[in-house]
Amino acid sequence: QKEVEQDPGPLSVPEGAIVSLNCTYSNSAFQYFMWYRQYSRKGPELLMYTYSSGNKEDGRFTAQVDKSSKYISLFIRDSQPSDSATYLCAVSQGAQKLVFGQGTRLTINP
Amino acid sequence: DTAVSQTPKYLVTQMGNDKSIKCEQNLGHDTMYWYKQDSKKFLKIMFSYNNKELIINETVPNRFSPKSPDKAHLNLHINSLELGDSAVYFCASSQEVAGELFFGEGSRLTVL
Repeated sequence: QKEVEQDPGPLSVPEGAIVSLNCTYSNSAFQYFMWYRQYSRKGPELLMYTYSSGNKEDGRFTAQVDKSSKYISLFIRDSQPSDSATYLCAVSQGAQKLVFGQGTRLTINP
Repeated sequence: DTAVSQTPKYLVTQMGNDKSIKCEQNLGHDTMYWYKQDSKKFLKIMFSYNNKELIINETVPNRFSPKSPDKAHLNLHINSLELGDSAVYFCASSQEVAGELFFGEGSRLTVL
């Protein structure tokens, strides 16, 4: 079983839709949860960072962590074509080692 | 001013050759990493250095050898290249444990 599972998609939605991206993980010791966004032919960049359970909001983006279910989510409201990218979840229990999900390729259609 | 820069961006070479990828960061971070991203976009850590000292060494063939001459530089040398080494190699750096990773733009290696 992989440490982090993420549906690779692709996911295609119309502009303005609410997007939900999800990951599950297997190790309950993970405490740090991140979402990275990767545009084509670029390196990933940090989008959201959460420690432990709960919600975090930043503009149109909301990250949710449910440690009891080992489930993390990223919601994008009022999606824009510029949001088209691959979204990677990442988890860590510290010690500078991040474990990434496979990434979900998202396309927002104008 | 690029925070994490890698060279070369593209590398096409024959099986059996040796090649190197260089990475430099100007963020003043203590920790640097090499990640490999395969064709399915799966990003996997290979090595991590903290202040020039190797702290993470995942299950990577001995043909891969990282070198950190100082904390701002981390190079990756690959011997006897194989077809399966074709991937995008990302250098990254971070200041804190489990903190934000800053990635370079990647070095796309194609082995023929």
